Amino acid sequence: KNEVEQSPQNLTAQEGEFITINCSYSVGISALHWLQQHPGGGIVSLFMLSSGKKKHGRLIATINIQEKHSSLHITASHPRDSAVYICAALFSGSRLTFGEGTQLTVNP
Amino acid sequence: DTAVSQTPKYLVTQMGNDKSIKCEQNLGHDTMYWYKQDSKKFLKIMFSYNNKELIINETVPNRFSPKSPDKAHLNLHINSLELGDSAVYFCASSQNSGVGDTQYFGPGTRLTVL
Repeated sequence: KNEVEQSPQNLTAQEGEFITINCSYSVGISALHWLQQHPGGGIVSLFMLSSGKKKHGRLIATINIQEKHSSLHITASHPRDSAVYICAALFSGSRLTFGEGTQLTVNP
Repeated sequence: DTAVSQTPKYLVTQMGNDKSIKCEQNLGHDTMYWYKQDSKKFLKIMFSYNNKELIINETVPNRFSPKSPDKAHLNLHINSLELGDSAVYFCASSQNSGVGDTQYFGPGTRLTVL
């Protein structure tokens, strides 16, 4: 069983919708990363957070340490946001463990 | 300028062969990583080096041997390739191996073992 669980696995939205992707982890972590993998395969780091909330453009990431849960929100979604979004938790010993990813498709 | 580069981008080879994948970063980072992404798109860490020293070595067959000639390079050599080694291999780097360090990924190397 993976120590990092993401939901949903697949998500289809209409352009303009507000999107939430969830990530939960089993034990205490040092930090949590959100990554975006483009259809072409390239991986980009979106956020690294250990507490609170971060915002970059239309993307917002939050983390609740007590509940061992993080969310990635996309406001005013656009077809170019279509990608796989992956959360990864940094456990002790600098070991980054990945969730299975959420395939997001935003239709025009 | 490419921050983290990998060569080759595609590698097709026969079972039993030995092959290498190279990774270079020009970001001045101290830590480099190798990840494997399987056919289900699941990423898993394989190795991590900090200043040429191995710091993470997950449960990986010893047919896989990373080599770091200097802190800007982390190569992955695979002996006696098997069908199950087919995957996309990603290299990444970060300033350090600590909490606050964003990882920068290379473009990936798609390995196909026939």
